[in-house]
Amino acid sequence: EIVLTQSPATLSLSPGERATLSCRASQSVSSYLAWYQQKPGQAPRLLIYDASNRATGIPARFSGSGSGTDFTLTISSLEPEDFAVYYCQQRSNWPGYTFGQGTKLEIK
Amino acid sequence: QLQLQESGPGLVKPSETLSLTCTVSGGSISSSSYYWGWIRQPPGKGLEWIGSIYYSGSTYYNPSLKSRVTISVDTSKNQFSLKLSSVTAADTAVYYCARHPRAGWNPSYYMDVWGKGTTVTVSS
Repeated sequence: EIVLTQSPATLSLSPGERATLSCRASQSVSSYLAWYQQKPGQAPRLLIYDASNRATGIPARFSGSGSGTDFTLTISSLEPEDFAVYYCQQRSNWPGYTFGQGTKLEIK
Repeated sequence: QLQLQESGPGLVKPSETLSLTCTVSGGSISSSSYYWGWIRQPPGKGLEWIGSIYYSGSTYYNPSLKSRVTISVDTSKNQFSLKLSSVTAADTAVYYCARHPRAGWNPSYYMDVWGKGTTVTVSS
């Protein structure tokens, strides 16, 4: 099974700053990687799929990059509503989809 | 606008079967472009994919849960359902239903529309 490791576990930043979140796969997942945002008491929201494609309605400040085993989600300038938990997800050995353990982005 | 809504008992006894239904509104579950899936999240923990189904009835299950999971679809009601047997406290979680775009003959790995989730507690 492919394991996704997200870092850091917690990231403390201020509004207006740039956020860089990492997701590393234990073996190559090509570009089959998605990112989700989850706020307390809410369902996850798809941000990025296939490593770098923004989902419908996602602001341009969110961008994804990477391929193979190393991926990054970047938020160019944090808005107050961006503070949440972020998960990466990949297509594991079929059938199976696995998620990372999450990065909590908190207000500094 | 497509909406998904989970429903079912919030409390299930150990060893019994958990049963949930997801009702799709604002779109057809019979669309050839999508699969429909279940994902869960234990309290304070991460996300786990349970399984997915196509409107034709083709199913895909998480190997770790496959022996206990059944997902079915009722196109006449625009619903799909989850049954998880022999539950224990470890099955206590928020259960979400979601939509996957289709990728070739299989579901794509990502989920682009989610329900709000329903909390299921396993306790006697």
